[in-house]
Amino acid sequence: EPEVTQTPSHQVTQMGQEVILRCVPISNHLYFYWYRQILGQKVEFLVSFYNNEISEKSEIFDDQFSVERPDGSNFTLKIRSTKLEDSAMYFCASSEIKLGTRTEAFFGQGTRLTVV
Amino acid sequence: DAKTTQPPSMDCAEGRAANLPCNHSTISGNEYVYWYRQIHSQGPQYIIHGLKNNETNEMASLIITEDRKSSTLILPHATLRDTAVYYCIVRVTPSGNTPLVFGKGTRLSVIA
Repeated sequence: EPEVTQTPSHQVTQMGQEVILRCVPISNHLYFYWYRQILGQKVEFLVSFYNNEISEKSEIFDDQFSVERPDGSNFTLKIRSTKLEDSAMYFCASSEIKLGTRTEAFFGQGTRLTVV
Repeated sequence: DAKTTQPPSMDCAEGRAANLPCNHSTISGNEYVYWYRQIHSQGPQYIIHGLKNNETNEMASLIITEDRKSSTLILPHATLRDTAVYYCIVRVTPSGNTPLVFGKGTRLSVIA
């Protein structure tokens, strides 16, 4: 069964460093998302991406964050200058379009980001 | 904020049906009811969704009341692997530009 894959599974970085989280969405999907989950808290939406541009973003997704689809398969989330409060699980998701509408989202297993 | 209300936790005996309720009294006519689950901090997993008719797939059944103000997710024969947090989410039609908004969900514990 096709799945969304994320790398690395765990990333430790020093405060102030840049970090890039990588995702390979399901191959025929066209909508891509990033969510995050701080330990013990709710899953929170960050951003969605379609047709090489951001289609929605939350208040969390400030200027420190950016997303990119550098090639035909990868979808990345960059955090420019990490803060302690960026420590969380980051989930990538993707969905396809059927008959002109977005279908349900499929999530990857997540990258645990720890900022020290 | 999530537009749904779910009990924080439930227990279910292994092999029995698990019935997870969800209230969404402010649901709009163009909003679907989605169910996802999250097993021990893994990525959320899609289960099922519906608009007004009851739906069934290989994982579960979704029963939506006629007034659409509440719904029930049914896992017909719960197993230990169904232990997870279950999220009930309402969102506009799939073509709408709204992301999934997760609440706190219901922590289902399946007991041997």
